[in-house]
Amino acid sequence: NAGVMQNPRHLVRRRGQEARLRCSPMKGHSHVYWYRQLPEEGLKFMVYLQKENIIDESGMPKERFSAEFPKEGPSILRIQQVVRGDSAAYFCASSPGSGGVYNEQFFGPGTRLTVL
Amino acid sequence: DQQVKQNSPSLSVQEGRISILNCDYTNSMFDYFLWYKKYPAEGPTFLISISSIKDKNEDGRFTVFLNKSAKHLSLHIVPSQPGDSAVYFCAASRLDSSYKLIFGSGTRLLVRP
Repeated sequence: NAGVMQNPRHLVRRRGQEARLRCSPMKGHSHVYWYRQLPEEGLKFMVYLQKENIIDESGMPKERFSAEFPKEGPSILRIQQVVRGDSAAYFCASSPGSGGVYNEQFFGPGTRLTVL
Repeated sequence: DQQVKQNSPSLSVQEGRISILNCDYTNSMFDYFLWYKKYPAEGPTFLISISSIKDKNEDGRFTVFLNKSAKHLSLHIVPSQPGDSAVYFCAASRLDSSYKLIFGSGTRLLVRP
């Protein structure tokens, strides 16, 4: 039973380029969360998606960032026109559903984005 | 506005002794609290959680205590093992806020052999 998969594990982009980060949730999980971790800080919530729906994007910057979780395929976090401040580790987490014992979120290994 | 705080950036304990990691929160509306363990270059690994209606939850060597009046929770690891050396994050969530996790800044635990 594979865990949460993220790719690429490392991504280097120059300022102004686009970054696409992919996340495949655990089998049977339909809820995906994206978090960002800056150096020496805790993880910060960005966006919460279910299949084909964005449920909560309150933590995502309004400019340049977007996320999707299509009916088929992985969830994608897209950052357009990257800037140096976007350099961080981006983690995806999945859960089977909301509430009770399903509250636990299981994290992928992360994508480390470096903007030159 | 830091709703979840881990005031100790690091902790060092001797193998076999108890490790106590602390976490404070400001929002009394949180429904769940969770502890995650993180190794460098890996994602956080879920350890243990506790509902806001309970005051203790135990799983093997790990016990989480919740003191709602003090808005404080702690993770006890006993006995501590060198493999427990990692960064530990406390997190909290609310049912009416999509269960998104609000993380503390982490405590780096070193267990000395």
